Amino acid sequence: KQEVTQIPAALSVPEGENLVLNCSFTDSAIYNLQWFRQDPGKGLTSLLLIQSSQREQTSGRLNASLDKSSGRSTLYIAASQPGDSATYLCAPKWDSSASKIIFGSGTRLSIRP
Amino acid sequence: DGGITQSPKYLFRKEGQNVTLSCEQNLNHDAMYWYRQDPGQGLRLIYYSQIVNDFQKGDIAEGYSVSREKKESFPLTVTSAQKNPTAFYLCASSLKDGGYEQYFGPGTRLTVT
Repeated sequence: KQEVTQIPAALSVPEGENLVLNCSFTDSAIYNLQWFRQDPGKGLTSLLLIQSSQREQTSGRLNASLDKSSGRSTLYIAASQPGDSATYLCAPKWDSSASKIIFGSGTRLSIRP
Repeated sequence: DGGITQSPKYLFRKEGQNVTLSCEQNLNHDAMYWYRQDPGQGLRLIYYSQIVNDFQKGDIAEGYSVSREKKESFPLTVTSAQKNPTAFYLCASSLKDGGYEQYFGPGTRLTVT
């Protein structure tokens, strides 16, 4: 059974720190993996999409890596800011069909000024 | 502005009533999706549509129905048969179903009493 785990469930760090959010998944044969951000009571904002053939993707202060063999993806946030406070979700996909996306429960990140 | 709109933002209904949630996109995307989000859980797929006049059940389709008569619109009806309808409902779209990014609307919070 395909499962997705995000640990920790919540994280609080002071402003300016670099941090890493973790996503682990069973079944390493993923098709791609997407990272999202969700603010309270809002929809999801796509941050990065990594295809199975890629090792990492970068957008501004964000860098997502993918290690299929170990079933892990990490989201690195550099020089964190209070505006980065949100819940971050990862969503691996196991084939080209939407029915094969499974979302993690997310890591709730709080950046202290 | 291109994007996905969902209306209303908040919806209240009495038990036993059917209710329809609206989702519209002007991104010219072929694929559209409906997810449900419950506290502390990942998103779960209700229905998805890869093209106009076609849709498939997701993981938790029981008690829900959809239609896809126009490319831009993918309304979701929550029927009285849905046992636990109170949740946050999110609509998404992508260029096509497959290895493409999903983009989300702002969500509708449905409360049934």
